Amino acid sequence: DAMVIQNPRYQVTQFGKPVTLSCSQTLNHNVMYWYQQKSSQAPKLLFHYYDKDFNNEADTPDNFQSRRPNTSFCFLDIRSPGLGDAAMYLCATSRDVTVGLGTFGSGTRLTVV
Amino acid sequence: GESVGLHLPTLSVQEGDNSIINCAYSNSASDYFIWYKQESGKGPQFIIDIRSNMDKRQGQRVTVLLNKTVKHLSLQIAATQPGDSAVYFCAENLRGSNYKLTFGKGTLLTVNP
Repeated sequence: DAMVIQNPRYQVTQFGKPVTLSCSQTLNHNVMYWYQQKSSQAPKLLFHYYDKDFNNEADTPDNFQSRRPNTSFCFLDIRSPGLGDAAMYLCATSRDVTVGLGTFGSGTRLTVV
Repeated sequence: GESVGLHLPTLSVQEGDNSIINCAYSNSASDYFIWYKQESGKGPQFIIDIRSNMDKRQGQRVTVLLNKTVKHLSLQIAATQPGDSAVYFCAENLRGSNYKLTFGKGTLLTVNP
């Protein structure tokens, strides 16, 4: 089935050690998003790609970067994870302006030790 | 500033009852709203959406009502089932801010058998 796949489901990283989370999609959607969701909170948009165009949210820390090498894959790089970066990271995709009909992955839960 | 919030953080209902989850928004420039369901350990799942030129939209067992006068959105679930237990988020899209959703805080719905 077409879907959005995030790997790994659970990631443990050391304080300050770079970590990369991955997302792939088989939907051929133009737009890919990364959200951060902390415990009992709403998802917060970090950035999105429309095709190859990167769009960063104004309040996303520089510590967070993203790469989209092709339509199917998108990566979230955290350069120096802090304890406050522990969260669920959600990838989502949508086709053009139909953002509400986008599809979310199951997320990667990041623990920083 | 823009904000989307929920009146009740938790809602407990009996199986078979109808559920109503409320959401307030503050930005009159929002023109598109979505309700998501998020089960534990999963990504948000699209339930239903509504555009600002409508005041009601129905789906299967769900109805969304939009009151633009008071900036209020509600999700009604008919004949609530145990499988409906989840956190429900409303999200808004501001006119002109393509691809970006702002999520509300979420309501935890618990369905008692």
